Amino acid sequence: KAGVTQTPRYLIKTRGQQVTLSCSPISGHRSVSWYQQTPGQGLQFLFEYFSETQRNKGNFPGRFSGRQFSNSRSEMNVSTLELGDSALYLCASSLEASGAAVEQYFGPGTRLTVT
Amino acid sequence: KQEVTQIPAALSVPEGENLVLNCSFTDSAIYNLQWFRQDPGKGLTSLLLIQSSQREQTSGRLNASLDKSSGRSTLYIAASQPGDSATYLCAPIRGQKLVFGQGTRLTINP
Repeated sequence: KAGVTQTPRYLIKTRGQQVTLSCSPISGHRSVSWYQQTPGQGLQFLFEYFSETQRNKGNFPGRFSGRQFSNSRSEMNVSTLELGDSALYLCASSLEASGAAVEQYFGPGTRLTVT
Repeated sequence: KQEVTQIPAALSVPEGENLVLNCSFTDSAIYNLQWFRQDPGKGLTSLLLIQSSQREQTSGRLNASLDKSSGRSTLYIAASQPGDSATYLCAPIRGQKLVFGQGTRLTINP
């Protein structure tokens, strides 16, 4: 079974631009979460989607947004990029079990550099 | 707000040693706890998931324990090998949200 895939793997953008990152979960997984990893702040939760609905949201500005499609694939978008948005963006998927937190599987990440 | 602390921040030991990594968290109202390893510049690899109703979980040379009442988890690595060198992260889970510590950077010297 294929793992979580993320595209692109590397991205270089300029301040003020916007960017879209993509995540394909493991087949059959319906929950997709996004995390930002930086050397200073570590791993921080961005948001989680299930059945095309955002269920949880972390403490990030509105420039960070996401969506999920009917096939469970997810995208996240960052508008008006700032230097501080440079980070490794990780996507995780899990097999939702009603009422229970289940094991999450991470993709390889997208390395975003903002210049 | 959940806060997670991992001790030590870094550890360097010779090959073959048994070692213990510690994780503490402030909010015991968690569902489960997951341990991961991360190699430099890579994503996270799941090592073990401990359900909140369990106290231990084992996989090969790895054993993780969970004490929700005291807000602690430990990861025990037996007979360490150079390939175990990585950063180890613990993450209590509530809902589908993981809260991560800063990790323990482990180096196993041949």
